[in-house]
Amino acid sequence: GDSVTQTEGLVTLTEGLPVMLNCTYQSTYSPFLFWYVQHLNEAPKLLLKSFTDNKRPEHQGFHATLHKSSSSFHLQKSSAQLSDSALYYCASTGANTGKLTFGHGTILRVHP
Amino acid sequence: GPKVLQIPSHQIIDMGQMVTLNCDPVSNHLYFYWYKQILGQQMEFLVNFYNGKVMEKSKLFKDQFSVERPDGSYFTLKIQPTALEDSAVYFCASSPGTGGFAEQFFGPGTRLTVL
Repeated sequence: GDSVTQTEGLVTLTEGLPVMLNCTYQSTYSPFLFWYVQHLNEAPKLLLKSFTDNKRPEHQGFHATLHKSSSSFHLQKSSAQLSDSALYYCASTGANTGKLTFGHGTILRVHP
Repeated sequence: GPKVLQIPSHQIIDMGQMVTLNCDPVSNHLYFYWYKQILGQQMEFLVNFYNGKVMEKSKLFKDQFSVERPDGSYFTLKIQPTALEDSAVYFCASSPGTGGFAEQFFGPGTRLTVL
């Protein structure tokens, strides 16, 4: 079946350093990929989603590129901020299904 | 932005009892979802619902589970009877459409503890 893998459970960074959170996927179709962010005691919110025309989505300084050759959709940011500390989920879905398949999530902790 | 509300935020019940989890979706959304997250594991899809019907469900959506949205009110997940393995956080989501083109908006979750 379909699956999403996030290899890091916890990433700890110093403020100002670059961020990269890994996400790879397995799918029987050509999926749409998403990054959701969840701050403590809040609902998960959509951060980014992949485009069908391979444009690179960006939001709040974060970006991600869908690489079909490596089945990856890594999340990146050039300079981490303290407010980026949160739980990040990578997820996939197909064009004609409402089911999101989630990775385990990566906790990002940014310290001064 | 649009918000999905979930009531209650926490629920503790004894095994074998019935429980109903309530979701207040975004007002103009048409598709509704439940996801289950056991402590330490990833969120997993349970079911999606459109136009009064279950559209898709996973193997986690046991016979003891049911969903409905009577008269456009709360979208509910009912578990009857509950089992110990039903202890988890249940997230509700809604979207204006379905598939990869439609963003799902999530609620903050209901933490269900079955004793």
